Amino acid sequence: GAGVSQSPSNKVTEKGKDVELRCDPISGHTALYWYRQRLGQGLEFLIYFQGNSAPDKSGLPSDRFSAERTGESVSTLTIQRTQQEDSAVYLCASSFTGTGRGQPQHFGDGTRLSIL
Amino acid sequence: TQLLEQSPQFLSIQEGENLTVYCNSSSVFSSLQWYRQEPGEGPVLLVTVVTGGEVKKLKRLTFQFGDARKDSSLHITAAQPGDTGLYLCAGAQEGFQKLVFGTGTRLLVSP
Repeated sequence: GAGVSQSPSNKVTEKGKDVELRCDPISGHTALYWYRQRLGQGLEFLIYFQGNSAPDKSGLPSDRFSAERTGESVSTLTIQRTQQEDSAVYLCASSFTGTGRGQPQHFGDGTRLSIL
Repeated sequence: TQLLEQSPQFLSIQEGENLTVYCNSSSVFSSLQWYRQEPGEGPVLLVTVVTGGEVKKLKRLTFQFGDARKDSSLHITAAQPGDTGLYLCAGAQEGFQKLVFGTGTRLLVSP
């Protein structure tokens, strides 16, 4: 399909382990976003990539969280030394350009992360 | 600070009833989007409104952007069980490239 693809769809790991989540955006989309969604809650912005510009990391909750994106392709979100509070669904979205002009965001189905 | 507040947070109604969801802010947005999210899936865009006072209709759903572009509403007529889900508003501010998402309204429509 041509949608945003995230992997894995589910991840269960022990507290203290590192995890890496992957997002494949829609081809041609220059903007990529990561969000966190706790159970029953809305979306919490984490980080935003736009082309080759410096990413907006203002939403990352701690230095245990980091993300990378190679050009306008795949992005990985890494959480080091996971804590139980990190349990959530991590959603990735991409858009044709930044959404300052009302461009829609296209979301993947998320990675459900459970920390034991 | 949550820029976009949605109300109600949760709504449980019977099939055939009408409902309105509100999305309010003290900030001005250049555009506002509404998304619906079903369990186990990512949010899906329903509509984008860009002009103050704009009204858009999508079958039984009516979206309105406030005149001052600070608030929006979503009205559903004759709700159906298929309307069940989490409704999210999201605003784009001039000069900013990321959306601000609302707190969400969880809708349950029972047969």
